[in-house]
Amino acid sequence: DSGVTQTPKHLITATGQRVTLRCSPRSGDLSVYWYQQSLDQGLQFLIQYYNGEERAKGNILERFSAQQFPDLHSELNLSSLELGDSALYFCASSYADSITEAFFGQGTRLTVV
Amino acid sequence: TQLLEQSPQFLSIQEGENLTVYCNSSSVFSSLQWYRQEPGEGPVLLVTVVTGGEVKKLKRLTFQFGDARKDSSLHITAAQPGDTGLYLCAGAGGGAGKSTFGDGTTLTVKP
Repeated sequence: DSGVTQTPKHLITATGQRVTLRCSPRSGDLSVYWYQQSLDQGLQFLIQYYNGEERAKGNILERFSAQQFPDLHSELNLSSLELGDSALYFCASSYADSITEAFFGQGTRLTVV
Repeated sequence: TQLLEQSPQFLSIQEGENLTVYCNSSSVFSSLQWYRQEPGEGPVLLVTVVTGGEVKKLKRLTFQFGDARKDSSLHITAAQPGDTGLYLCAGAGGGAGKSTFGDGTTLTVKP
């Protein structure tokens, strides 16, 4: 158990819909990272928050947004969903503003039908 | 864009054999991590290497960071079925918090 909690574990939704994925980092960790993993594109960095503020942005679509709340949990919002958004979405956390000691959650498997 | 290439992409071996997987880039990284991921689970951090030429050992696993900090290798001695999984390398240094992942090596160790 990494200490990072992601909910829900599975999500099935229709195209055009909007969903919210939730992540609770390990106790004491200030950074939260979101990744998308699909079969054809591997693990892709989406966005990082550090202590409530956006710290780094990767290949995140404009239809996607995220935020980190004062209690340090984070949410990833995916809107106008397309079939190609089906993937595993992982959250990772670390204490520092650095990915070098990050711990991953078990992921949310999103299926868009 | 910093890219990490991992090889081989797939590796299937018998229990007891040794193996090496590689992670190469044309970019310099401030640190490099190796993860193991099992189906349906998140990646689990195995090691972080920081210094060029650094060698770290974790039981039967030996990790090496290249002198120029552009590449790394993972050597497993006497592989066991429990070593089966997707091995990912990730390089840090592309901007605050950003980490570039390789596409991984899928290892299958047959009993």
